[in-house]
Amino acid sequence: EPEVTQTPSHQVTQMGQEVILRCVPISNHLYFYWYRQILGQKVEFLVSFYNNEISEKSEIFDDQFSVERPDGSNFTLKIRSTKLEDSAMYFCASKLPSQETQYFGPGTRLLVL
Amino acid sequence: DQQVKQNSPSLSVQEGRISILNCDYTNSMFDYFLWYKKYPAEGPTFLISISSIKDKNEDGRFTVFLNKSAKHLSLHIVPSQPGDSAVYFCAASDGTASKLTFGTGTRLQVTL
Repeated sequence: EPEVTQTPSHQVTQMGQEVILRCVPISNHLYFYWYRQILGQKVEFLVSFYNNEISEKSEIFDDQFSVERPDGSNFTLKIRSTKLEDSAMYFCASKLPSQETQYFGPGTRLLVL
Repeated sequence: DQQVKQNSPSLSVQEGRISILNCDYTNSMFDYFLWYKKYPAEGPTFLISISSIKDKNEDGRFTVFLNKSAKHLSLHIVPSQPGDSAVYFCAASDGTASKLTFGTGTRLQVTL
């Protein structure tokens, strides 16, 4: 069964450094999303992406964040200058245009020191 | 702004009995609801969903009920199995391309 994959599974970085989180959505899906979950809190929406552009973003998704679909398979989330409060699990999700259900990857645990 | 609420942080049920997980929402624009199961350090796994035009959807041991007038949905798992022990999240969306708004989750423990 096709699934969303994410790399790396864990990332440790110093405050102020740039990180890129990578996702490979399910191959025929056209809508892509990033969510995050800070430890002990609920899963929060960051950004949605369709047709090579951002379709919606939350207030968390400020100028330090960007997304890109550099080729036909990858979908990336970049944090330009990480802050301590960016430490969280980051989940990528994707879905078909005709369906509502989003399918999630296993997540990347980001720790900012 | 808690648009989706799961008021029970935890639930313990004996194996073989019914588990009932509840979810309330406030945004009347939500028209699609989903339940996800999540193990620690893993991503949410889709379980079952329901459109606002229905009041019940069933898939094997899992049934979701939607009461639109009360803005309430519930997930029934019967019979409960030890492998069902996980955190269950209710999520809602208000359009085809829209983000999911998640509840805070309910930790289900199924005991032997």
